[in-house]
Order: sequence, then structure tokens, then C-alpha cells
Amino acid sequence: DARVTQTPRHKVTEMGQEVTMRCQPILGHNTVFWYRQTMMQGLELLAYFRNRAPLDDSGMPKDRFSAEMPDATLATLKIQPSEPRDSAVYFCASGLVEAGTEAFFGQGTRLTVV
Amino acid sequence: GDSVTQMEGPVTLSEEAFLTINCTYTATGYPSLFWYVQYPGEGLQLLLKATKADDKGSNKGFEATYRKETTSFHLEKGSVQVSDSAVYFCALSSPRAGNKLTFGGGTRVLVKP
Repeated sequence: DARVTQTPRHKVTEMGQEVTMRCQPILGHNTVFWYRQTMMQGLELLAYFRNRAPLDDSGMPKDRFSAEMPDATLATLKIQPSEPRDSAVYFCASGLVEAGTEAFFGQGTRLTVV
Repeated sequence: GDSVTQMEGPVTLSEEAFLTINCTYTATGYPSLFWYVQYPGEGLQLLLKATKADDKGSNKGFEATYRKETTSFHLEKGSVQVSDSAVYFCALSSPRAGNKLTFGGGTRVLVKP
């Protein structure tokens, strides 16, 4: 049963520390999305990649966030330095994005910055 | 840019009641439309989709019809169960926007026995 895998599932860190979240997309999918979910803002698109190239990262605070795909089996989202306002659930999703094709979501990383 | 507007919740229903969640969209071109569901502590799961005007998506008793003339994709279920309690998200994917998924704000549904 193919699925998107995210690690860690939970992360508690102190303000100022670096946080790295990882995502293994479904094999064969060519598009990867990073979303952030909070009660106040709902689901926000942070960045997405097509064939490992960044297509849009306009939703991401550039000064502290970075997203990469070092290879087709790994996507990373890094926050450095982290701040309490970054506390949220971060979702990765992957898809074979042709017209009408849906994205499959991982279970998310719940980040708490204290 | 593309946007999705859905009714705010929470929506509280009794078991076996009829559920409707309204969703309207703004997009250039001809987007595909989706409903996702999120159960507590989990990621989003695709519930149903429609890729062109007048298509009806259906799954697990839920239905939604792609209405281009009213730019709507309302979700309906004739008889809800307690297990349908979740947050429901309407979304679109537009080729002109690089096929990125744009979500509505989500609607929390609570079904009481």
C-alpha cells in the first residue's frame, strides 16, 4: 500500500533551534507539496516541486524556511532558526500531477516550538 | 489567483440527517475539483473528485457535482453517521496555475448519535 511517509511525527524544540522535517513521496510521483496547517490560518501552501525542481515557494518565509529535494525519494523542509509562531502541523503530499490527478497526503509532522 | 470558499463550521447534525457543505471557486480555465476529508490526528484523504463540468464525484455515500455555471462543487450526503465526523476541505487544481492544489478553509462536521 503506497503512502507518503513523514518523519518525525512529533517534534518539540526550543526557540532558535534548527528543525528538519522529512518526507518520502510515493514512488513514481513527480510533484511534492509542503503545507502548513494551523487553527488560525487553515491550510497554507508553503512550496511545491515538480520533477524535483521548485515551482513555487512564495508561501514560505524565505529568511528562515528552506525546502529541497535532494533526490526523488526525499523532500526536506528546514526551519532555522525556529520561532514559537512556527508551531503547526506540516504536511507533505505527493502526486502524479496531470490534469485531475489528486495529491496523497502524509500524516504530518506536529511541530511545537517553545 | 485561484481561490476556494466553503461554508464555515462547525456543522452539527444528528445521525441519519442530510448533510450539505457549500463550496464555490474562482479559477482561470478549467480546474479539477476535489473534496478531501481529515479525521482527527490524521492527514487529508481524498473523498471524491470531478475533472470536468457536470461530472459527479461520489464515494462512501457522498456526492458532489461540478457546476461550471455557478462555479460550485457542493458536497452532500443523504444520511450521515457518527463516523462521518471530520473536517472536510474543498480544493481545486488548475492547469493554468501549475496544477497546484488550492484549498478552502475547511468545514468541521460533528455528527451526534
